[in-house]
Amino acid sequence: ETGVTQTPRHLVMGMTNKKSLKCEQHLGHNAMYWYKQSAKKPLELMFVYSLEERVENNSVPSRFSPECPNSSHLFLHLHTLQPEDSALYLCASSPLLAGGGEQYFGPGTRLTVT
Amino acid sequence: GDSVTQMEGPVTLSEEACLTINCTYTATGYPSLFWYVQYPGEGLQLLLKATKADDKGSNKGFEATYRKETTSFHLEKGSVQVSDSAVYFCALKGGADGLTFGKGTHLIIQP
Repeated sequence: ETGVTQTPRHLVMGMTNKKSLKCEQHLGHNAMYWYKQSAKKPLELMFVYSLEERVENNSVPSRFSPECPNSSHLFLHLHTLQPEDSALYLCASSPLLAGGGEQYFGPGTRLTVT
Repeated sequence: GDSVTQMEGPVTLSEEACLTINCTYTATGYPSLFWYVQYPGEGLQLLLKATKADDKGSNKGFEATYRKETTSFHLEKGSVQVSDSAVYFCALKGGADGLTFGKGTHLIIQP
């Protein structure tokens, strides 16, 4: 595998389910990010990790819980979601948190909450 | 806070037409500026970037110039192809956090 991978690519879950999204980067980067992409809205930055430490949480509801066990892996744990949480969830990584800012994105997980 | 404004579209052009997608931004300090492209079913790919005023980013025939005086970073291409059909995102990076994106511009190129 190369670049940034995300699994699953598609997920349908009920509002009472618990599921997790997984992201893995094979680029040797030190920073990782979760974004939410909804129709007709700009990408929303959800969480930022640098060297496995969370450095930003943009007022995301607690039903989204991130986890970064090492610099290559990032998870987003989901529980008791709402239909408005249906969106494309994108993971990204970058060499450093600061600096030029170029980020590398995975293909995303298309989440549908029923 | 930081923000990016871009035309939403869809923008529909014929093959070989000239393309301009406008992007303006609001930010404190001197942000880095980016254009990302998203093809159907895929994640975002970096198209080009510029890190300081008057820099020109270019890639695959696309160009954009960092204009500090007008706070703009318009994307241009002289002759578009059907394969350029995608959603284009303007973005900036100000401080030490993630990117701030515009809403994206859906580009449709007809043969």
